[in-house]
Amino acid sequence: DIQMTQSPSSLSASVGDRVSITCRASQSVRSYLNWYQHKPGKAPKLLIYGASSLQSGVPSRFSGSGSGTDFTLTISSLQPEDFAAYYCQQSFSIPTFGQGTKLEIK
Amino acid sequence: QVQLQESGPGLVKPSETLTLTCNVSGGSISNQYWSWIRQPPGKGLEWIGYIYDSGSTNYNPSLKSRVTISGDTSKSQFSLKLTSVTAADTAVYYCARGYIYFGYWGQGTLVTVSS
Repeated sequence: DIQMTQSPSSLSASVGDRVSITCRASQSVRSYLNWYQHKPGKAPKLLIYGASSLQSGVPSRFSGSGSGTDFTLTISSLQPEDFAAYYCQQSFSIPTFGQGTKLEIK
Repeated sequence: QVQLQESGPGLVKPSETLTLTCNVSGGSISNQYWSWIRQPPGKGLEWIGYIYDSGSTNYNPSLKSRVTISGDTSKSQFSLKLTSVTAADTAVYYCARGYIYFGYWGQGTLVTVSS
């Protein structure tokens, strides 16, 4: 299986901050990399697919970049509703997920 | 708007079979991939497998010997069966649409394996 490693595992930030979360694959996944937001008790939400394509309805402050083994999710200006857990997921082979990054309010 | 809702027992005894159903509303299950994903407490997400168009299936090799996913297009439902469960199968189980990426998810249902 392809292992996905996210960093950091937790992050404290303030409303209005620009934050980035990184995801590294144990081998190349080309651009088969997706990002999700997950709030407790809610259904996870797809944010970015194909490494950089914004899912319909997702605010443009979310963006994704990278290819191969290194990827980044960036939130340009944090809003109160953005505090949640974020997961990357590769689909180059059997789908696997990163361990998650918990984004908390500073 | 597609919505998914998992249902099934919240408690299963060791060695028994876990059975969950995902009800899909707002769209047909035909011509789509439908997956099951789980998250044990304090651990990461694990893809279990998918069914495509109520027919072909593909499973995570780590669970393949114990998993069956089936679908019923007439009811817009698909189901998961996991046999010979142990405490390690305790998790929140999610159903989701897709395989390359998961565009819609259910809220998840906690299944505890305990006697």
